[in-house]
Amino acid sequence: DSGVTQTPKHLITATGQRVTLRCSPRSGDLSVYWYQQSLDQGLQFLIQYYNGEERAKGNILERFSAQQFPDLHSELNLSSLELGDSALYFCASSYPGVEQYFGPGTRLTVT
Amino acid sequence: DAKTTQPPSMDCAEGRAANLPCNHSTISGNEYVYWYRQIHSQGPQYIIHGLKNNETNEMASLIITEDRKSSTLILPHATLRDTAVYYCIVTGANSKLTFGKGITLSVRP
Repeated sequence: DSGVTQTPKHLITATGQRVTLRCSPRSGDLSVYWYQQSLDQGLQFLIQYYNGEERAKGNILERFSAQQFPDLHSELNLSSLELGDSALYFCASSYPGVEQYFGPGTRLTVT
Repeated sequence: DAKTTQPPSMDCAEGRAANLPCNHSTISGNEYVYWYRQIHSQGPQYIIHGLKNNETNEMASLIITEDRKSSTLILPHATLRDTAVYYCIVTGANSKLTFGKGITLSVRP
């Protein structure tokens, strides 16, 4: 158990819908990272937040957005969902300058 | 981030040491070598990291060559539970991780 929690574990939704994935970092960690893992693209970095502020952006689609709240939990919002958005979404957290610890992931299926 | 090159797969016998190589010839002076592994579809698991010195923890040892252009992850006594995809990643501190295809390690009984 890494100490990072993600909800929900599984999500099935239809094309065009909007979903919110939630991540609670390890106690004391200030950074939250979001990654997407699909069969054809592998594990890809989406976005990083540090203490509530956006720190780095990867290949995140404009239909996707994220935020980190004052209690440091983070949410990833995915809208206008397409079949190709079906993937595993991982959240990771870290204290500045050290390794990242990953949550168990949310498996999103878009039908 | 510097690019890494890993063989696609390897196997080893249970109880033997598994030596997983990684090339990172374009690594810069402030970049670390990180190793993560992913068992099936679980979240990636941190194993170890280093800058220039060799490192050891309860899971593995990391040997980095003097020129820092390559490294080897050593699992001293591989078990069936070590079967996973192992990723070698080079990046700065507090930076995103760029995952490649990794190396699939199969531990056979």
